[in-house]
Amino acid sequence: GENVEQHPSTLSVQEGDSAVIKCTYSDSASNYFPWYKQELGKRPQLIIDIRSNVGEKKDQRIAVTLNKTAKHFSLHITETQPEDSAVYFCAAHLSGGGADGLTFGKGTHLIIQP
Amino acid sequence: GAVVSQHPSRVICKSGTSVKIECRSLDFQATTMFWYRQFPKQSLMLMATSNEGSKATYEQGVEKDKFLINHASLTLSTLTVTSAHPEDSSFYICSATQTSGGEGQFFGPGTRLTVL
Repeated sequence: GENVEQHPSTLSVQEGDSAVIKCTYSDSASNYFPWYKQELGKRPQLIIDIRSNVGEKKDQRIAVTLNKTAKHFSLHITETQPEDSAVYFCAAHLSGGGADGLTFGKGTHLIIQP
Repeated sequence: GAVVSQHPSRVICKSGTSVKIECRSLDFQATTMFWYRQFPKQSLMLMATSNEGSKATYEQGVEKDKFLINHASLTLSTLTVTSAHPEDSSFYICSATQTSGGEGQFFGPGTRLTVL
């Protein structure tokens, strides 16, 4: 089955700086890669996703890049703000092969220092 | 975006009792629903995939006789933890998707289960 590795487990950045979280996946057939933000005790919220036919996707301060050859993808947050503090999870998924659950990375606790 | 609800939000029960958790898609019909478990400070682990009108598909290591899943309609799936024990204490989260491929999963708010 799919295995997703996520680094770092904790990331502390100064407000206004950029944050980068990296993930690798094992199954080359995976073709859908969402990122979720989860605040303490709350549900995961989808913040951005990318499909394997695209190398990069951007939505305001958030961007995701995908390198299919190396099987890794990254989340980039620019101009970080205190409300960006949360746990971020990457996930990998084989879409189109029948509905299947997501395989999540272990999460990154992002701390924005004021 | 799509709204998924869960009930109850938290439950405390005695060891040996059964607990039922409901997951509802409020404004769309969910072809598939998923059940995840999340232990404190850990990631979400998929337990099972639930399709309306058919038997759930369980992940390796998840006991189907202990975690009963019923997906009776396109908007409701239930997870029953039978004969709960303290080690079953966890945060149980469902997700639902409109697509057949499993993309675009929207999560419920989760249910905090504590077994005494």
